[in-house]
Parts: sequence; structure tokens; C-alpha cells
Amino acid sequence: QQKVQQSPESLIVPEGAMTSLNCTFSDSASQYFAWYRQHSGKAPKALMSIFSNGEKEEGRFTIHLNKASLHFSLHIRDSQPSDSALYLCAVNSGTYQRFGTGTKLQVVP
Amino acid sequence: ETAVFQTPNYHVTQVGNEVSFNCKQTLGHDTMYWYKQDSKKLLKIMFSYNNKQLIVNETVPRRFSPQSSDKAHLNLRIKSVEPEDSAVYLCASSPGVTSAETLYFGSGTRLTVL
Repeated sequence: QQKVQQSPESLIVPEGAMTSLNCTFSDSASQYFAWYRQHSGKAPKALMSIFSNGEKEEGRFTIHLNKASLHFSLHIRDSQPSDSALYLCAVNSGTYQRFGTGTKLQVVP
Repeated sequence: ETAVFQTPNYHVTQVGNEVSFNCKQTLGHDTMYWYKQDSKKLLKIMFSYNNKQLIVNETVPRRFSPQSSDKAHLNLRIKSVEPEDSAVYLCASSPGVTSAETLYFGSGTRLTVL
């Protein structure tokens, strides 16, 4: 059964810093890799996704996938207090997406 | 803007009662899901449903059942709630019938079982 794990569990960074979040998965047949962000009391919202090895950049966010290492990551450039949230990675597994354990990010001014 | 609507936002009930949660999506998507988010914020799939197929996660207790009238609605019924059912229940939809697509979530229903 697909296992999806995230690290670190929580993170505090200063405003303006680069933030890196990690996600590992166990099923090498997975094809879709995504990051979602959930502000406190709100719905999870998709940030970005990737299908193939390499990098993809959208604004301050970059996703990097290495299928051979069963690892993908999210990098946030110039982190802002509004980025403070729970970050969830997701990997497709059969008919649904399986989510990681979450990383709670706090960006302090 | 919200396009996946869940009601109620909160529900408090006693052990053994029956509860129902509603979910409607206005995105014209083909697939809907129910996820359970526990106190540690872990999201676990409960059901996925499109107009052809219901997929049940085998770990979901039988007291949970999805109910759908059309592809825009997927409700969740819990026949006899137990304390461990206290959680946030999140409904989601996706455009097609594969799992390799963006999920659009509702704001959730927080269930507290006393």
C-alpha cells in the first residue's frame, strides 16, 4: 500500500527566507505528484503539481520531482507571513490521491 | 471562490446517533470524494465516486455510506456514530475520472461525538 511521508513535521522561518518541504512515497508506479496548502480552518487548496521528473516553477513556488529517489519537494522563495499554513503533499494511488502527514509552516516577520 | 459546498459546517451529536452530511459541487466535475481529516490533520480517503463506479476504502467501517443522486452531489451518512468518528469530513471533486487531477475541496464538516 502506498505510503506518503513528509518532513519536517513543522518549520518556522523568517520572512524573506527560502523554505523547503519534502515528501517521499513508496509506489514507483505513481504518476501524479501535488502540493496542497491548507490555512487554518479552511479547505485544502492545490498549489501545483507535476507529472514527470524535473522542476516546475510558478511564481515563488518550485516543485522538484525525482522518481528514482521516490521523492519530491516544494520550495518557496521569499517566504511571506501569508504562506503560514499546513502543507500537504499528495500522490495518486489507484483511484484516489493519498496524502502525506503534513508540514506546518510558520513564517515570522 | 467556493465551488464545493458542504453542509453543515459543524455538528455535535451523541454516540449511537445517525448523521448525514451534504456535499454539492458546481464545477461540472465527474468524480467526487470524501476524505476524513483527523486531529493530527492526516487526510484519509473514504470514498471516491463517479457516475459509473463507487470505490470504497476497505478500511472504512460499514456504518459509513455514501449517497449520490447525481454527479454533482455526494452525501455521507453515518449510521451509528462512535467517539472515534470525531473529525473534519472533507468533500472534494475532480474534473475527470482519473486520480491524476487537481482536487477541489469544500470547507469541511466538523463532527464532534460526545
